[in-house]
Amino acid sequence: AQKVTQAQTEISVVEKEDVTLDCVYETRDTTYYLFWYKQPPSGELVFLIRRNSFDEQNEISGRYSWNFQKSTSSFNFTITASQVVDSAVYFCALSERSGGYNKLIFGAGTRLAVHP
Amino acid sequence: SQTIHQWPATLVQPVGSPLSLECTVEGTSNPNLYWYRQAAGRGLQLLFYSIGIDQISSEVPQNLSASRPQDRQFILSSKKLLLSDSGFYLCAWSDTRTNAYNYGYTFGSGTRLTVV
Repeated sequence: AQKVTQAQTEISVVEKEDVTLDCVYETRDTTYYLFWYKQPPSGELVFLIRRNSFDEQNEISGRYSWNFQKSTSSFNFTITASQVVDSAVYFCALSERSGGYNKLIFGAGTRLAVHP
Repeated sequence: SQTIHQWPATLVQPVGSPLSLECTVEGTSNPNLYWYRQAAGRGLQLLFYSIGIDQISSEVPQNLSASRPQDRQFILSSKKLLLSDSGFYLCAWSDTRTNAYNYGYTFGSGTRLTVV
């Protein structure tokens, strides 16, 4: 069965530190998609990135970068020079195709606190 | 462009009272619709999904039910709330016209329910 594990429950850093959020997944599918979402204190989930299983290139978007390693089933997220506004809960998710709809399997989330 | 609306934003209800949360999507047709719950400090649990009008599937047994009376309307209900129903409820949609498997979900802003 598909599963997403975010082993880090909470991370606390000081502003300007780099921080990496870990995500390990399990799937039997050969084609799948991985996602990261951000949940700020307001509660709404904000889409950050989507990565398909055939594209193992790392991606950088400003201070955010993602390291996808199929060999270790990991899709880690790094924030460089963290800022207080990065404080949020971050969810990693794996898409599963099931009976005509796509189902997202979420990890338990990692709460990131960035202190000034 | 597509938008998703969810209301109310917050709700405090006594134990044993009924519940009705509403979610509507604009700018698309025949979306897949989902209800998720997030208990305090916990991850996201899929409660219901729908691939069409009156086509509802439940992921977990619970005190809640869902209905889809119109194509772009998804309602979460309960006849009698329990304390354990407290949490943050998120509605989401995905586009079935494209390869929705790839694109994950778009989430509403959520309803924070406190059962007292």
